[in-house]
Amino acid sequence: DAKTTQPTSMDCAEGRAANLPCNHSTISGNEYVYWYRQIHSQGPQYIIHGLKNNETNEMASLIITEDRKSSTLILPHATLRDTAVYYCIVRVPNTGNQFYFGTGTSLTVIP
Amino acid sequence: KAGVTQTPRYLIKTRGQQVTLSCSPISGHRSVSWYQQTPGQGLQFLFEYFSETQRNKGNFPGRFSGRQFSNSRSEMNVSTLELGDSALYLCASSLGGRVGQPQHFGDGTRLSIL
Repeated sequence: DAKTTQPTSMDCAEGRAANLPCNHSTISGNEYVYWYRQIHSQGPQYIIHGLKNNETNEMASLIITEDRKSSTLILPHATLRDTAVYYCIVRVPNTGNQFYFGTGTSLTVIP
Repeated sequence: KAGVTQTPRYLIKTRGQQVTLSCSPISGHRSVSWYQQTPGQGLQFLFEYFSETQRNKGNFPGRFSGRQFSNSRSEMNVSTLELGDSALYLCASSLGGRVGQPQHFGDGTRLSIL
């Protein structure tokens, strides 16, 4: 029951910014948006999360639209090691720590 | 700080057997969640434990069970294994107390059923 929509795949040139979109048009006021990525044969890696405001950490920036119906994960200077499947997740309230993972976006960074 | 540790990394079993997987959360984390990942179904939530109590459960049959110990370590058990149980089993931990906290995942146990 994933509540997010992401493009299936994207390419990005090495050194350029990678902008990964996510649509979550049915998000409710108290639901957070989380981003994870998964490199083959490893567990998902937490990247960033936010509620209303834009967020930035050492890995990425998260831009959430004012109506909160969509967001964009920005990797400012993509490297080959950023090639992975990126998941945008909306945390459903009152369901403990249950995360619904969709199919994600397969990002390929091209040399 | 050590991350989430799952053991074993790889496991091969035959149909009808049972298996126990182990997860050691990040120090101080009280919530442990388990997920199953397969190529066809993607990542699916199994259950979550917090303070030794199951707090949330996904849509899996009763053959899948778990428990959490007082030190927050968790085990997952699958009985009467079926071919379709072949998957990557992931454990994730979080502080567990507040909405909004991220989960941190281990690298999983890859279970193969012959």
